[in-house]
Amino acid sequence: DQQVKQNSPSLSVQEGRISILNCDYTNSMFDYFLWYKKYPAEGPTFLISISSIKDKNEDGRFTVFLNKSAKHLSLHIVPSQPGDSAVYFCAASALVTGNTGKLIFGQGTTLQVKP
Amino acid sequence: KAGVTQTPRYLIKTRGQQVTLSCSPISGHRSVSWYQQTPGQGLQFLFEYFSETQRNKGNFPGRFSGRQFSNSRSEMNVSTLELGDSALYLCASSLSTGKETQYFGPGTRLLVL
Repeated sequence: DQQVKQNSPSLSVQEGRISILNCDYTNSMFDYFLWYKKYPAEGPTFLISISSIKDKNEDGRFTVFLNKSAKHLSLHIVPSQPGDSAVYFCAASALVTGNTGKLIFGQGTTLQVKP
Repeated sequence: KAGVTQTPRYLIKTRGQQVTLSCSPISGHRSVSWYQQTPGQGLQFLFEYFSETQRNKGNFPGRFSGRQFSNSRSEMNVSTLELGDSALYLCASSLSTGKETQYFGPGTRLLVL
């Protein structure tokens, strides 16, 4: 059962435009969400996170939006740069007993930013 | 501040052998989690250690085990290796357990022949 889903395996955008990566989840107990970027042969790099008490968090070019009623979050990258080309993973955790430290990851979306 | 380090970076083993992977967390971080990444299953949680105690375990067979030392360094062990254990093994550290951001190391690429 895929609790965190990234339904778009790939996304291609033009440099300077907005990239929007989407993520859906099914477990209503999830209360903390993160986005990671991953280059081949490297570990995931933390980008931005959001707690369920918020609906938006911004850090530079990166903004994450959370819609709890729809169980949906999205990552906006504005403006997109060629260096942003990578695989993006969303992850979720639920702070309940016995679930500490466990992140559930989506399958990832490969973003290609064309010059 | 140095990031999470993992050794070795690459490893080739044969079926039936065992392997030990090492992870040194970011200085000051006390929680270490391990994940397995495969093309088919994506990133899957193996286990988490905090203060030398396993706090959580994913859905993996008992051949996968781990431990954490008093300096927060962690090792994971896979015994009786199977072909399907070929994967990228990632270690992540965080300041504490719970709702803390996890920072990942570069991973150990294990190939089982």
